[in-house]
Amino acid sequence: GDSVTQMEGPVTLSEEAFLTINCTYTATGYPSLFWYVQYPGEGLQLLLKATKADDKGSNKGFEATYRKETTSFHLEKGSVQVSDSAVYFCALNRGSSNTGKLIFGQGTTLQVKP
Amino acid sequence: GAGVSQSPSNKVTEKGKDVELRCDPISGHTALYWYRQSLGQGLEFLIYFQGNSAPDKSGLPSDRFSAERTGGSVSTLTIQRTQQEDSAVYLCASSLPPGNTEAFFGQGTRLTVV
Repeated sequence: GDSVTQMEGPVTLSEEAFLTINCTYTATGYPSLFWYVQYPGEGLQLLLKATKADDKGSNKGFEATYRKETTSFHLEKGSVQVSDSAVYFCALNRGSSNTGKLIFGQGTTLQVKP
Repeated sequence: GAGVSQSPSNKVTEKGKDVELRCDPISGHTALYWYRQSLGQGLEFLIYFQGNSAPDKSGLPSDRFSAERTGGSVSTLTIQRTQQEDSAVYLCASSLPPGNTEAFFGQGTRLTVV
């Protein structure tokens, strides 16, 4: 079945460091891909998404590119801030052809130190 | 309301008791989802509603778990004869008709079975 694998955390970085969180997926067809973020004490929020191969999602300085050839959707940010400390979840669904059910990775905790 | 509302925010119950968790989705959102977030299991899909019907119940872990939705709005997740392994955060999400539309999550109900 469909699945998402993301790098284990926690990831600890200093402020202004470069961030990469790896995410790979297994799915039939052409899923849509998402990154969700969960800040401390808050609910899950959509960070960015991409719905077809080679699409780049971006938001708040974060970017991820849908790479079908490597079945990946790695999250990157050029310069992290303390306020980026959160848990990041990579997810997929089958796009317009299905129920919208999301399959999530295990989550990666990011801690940014000043 | 402005967002997805879940109640209670925290629930402690004794093993063997029944519990009801409530979700109030964003007005006009026809799709509603329940997920469970637990240590070691990540975020797992439980059930999907479109209107009042549930075309996908594949994630419900046992027949102790059930859910209903009335009036195309509020949903209740019921867990009968709770077990310690049911301890988790139960998340509700809603969206416009599913596909590539964004799912909005509530802050969850933290259930602890003692």
